[in-house]
Amino acid sequence: SQKIEQNSEALNIQEGKTATLTCNYTNYSPAYLQWYRQDPGRGPVFLLLIRENEKEKRKERLKVTFDTTLKQSLFHITASQPADSATYLCAREDSNYQLIWGAGTKLIIKP
Amino acid sequence: GAGVSQSPRYKVAKRGQDVALRCDPISGHVSLFWYQQALGQGPEFLTYFQNEAQLDKSGLPSDRFFAERPEGSVSTLKIQRTQQEDSAVYLCASSLRSGIDEQYFGPGTRLTVT
Repeated sequence: SQKIEQNSEALNIQEGKTATLTCNYTNYSPAYLQWYRQDPGRGPVFLLLIRENEKEKRKERLKVTFDTTLKQSLFHITASQPADSATYLCAREDSNYQLIWGAGTKLIIKP
Repeated sequence: GAGVSQSPRYKVAKRGQDVALRCDPISGHVSLFWYQQALGQGPEFLTYFQNEAQLDKSGLPSDRFFAERPEGSVSTLKIQRTQQEDSAVYLCASSLRSGIDEQYFGPGTRLTVT
């Protein structure tokens, strides 16, 4: 099946360090990937979209890479802060409008 | 500014009851999506509207699930004869354009079927 996979275990990072989250996809080669943040009891919030012809995209302390050879996207948060603690979701398109989502990785930034 | 709102935020239903979940998307947004999210999982696509047209309902788990968006704005997801496996968070999202675009999510409705 055309899955999208994220590390299921929580990621613990010391404040100030760079957090790196991984999103892997199989079989299907998406034209782009989206990254969202979700806090408990809330809906996901859009962060970044990266297209297959873009190797890297940045927004403030966030950076996303897209490696079509490895079938992988990496999401980086530099100078991490406790307020960055949340679950981060990766999603790819399945059709013109459907998104297929990973299960998310819980990020914990310790002061 | 007003984001996507959903009501009720929490719903407890006895097995067999019908429920209706409401979504108010951002004004002017063409696309509207419904998702189901189980604990510890990502959202699972249920259905998609482009304005008032339901273009994809392939994710609806059974014919007990029905969604509508009659005037191209507010949408309702109805679940008939609820069962325990329907317990989940139901998320609504809207986006400005048709096709794939960044999606704006509501806070979700947590449905618990007892």
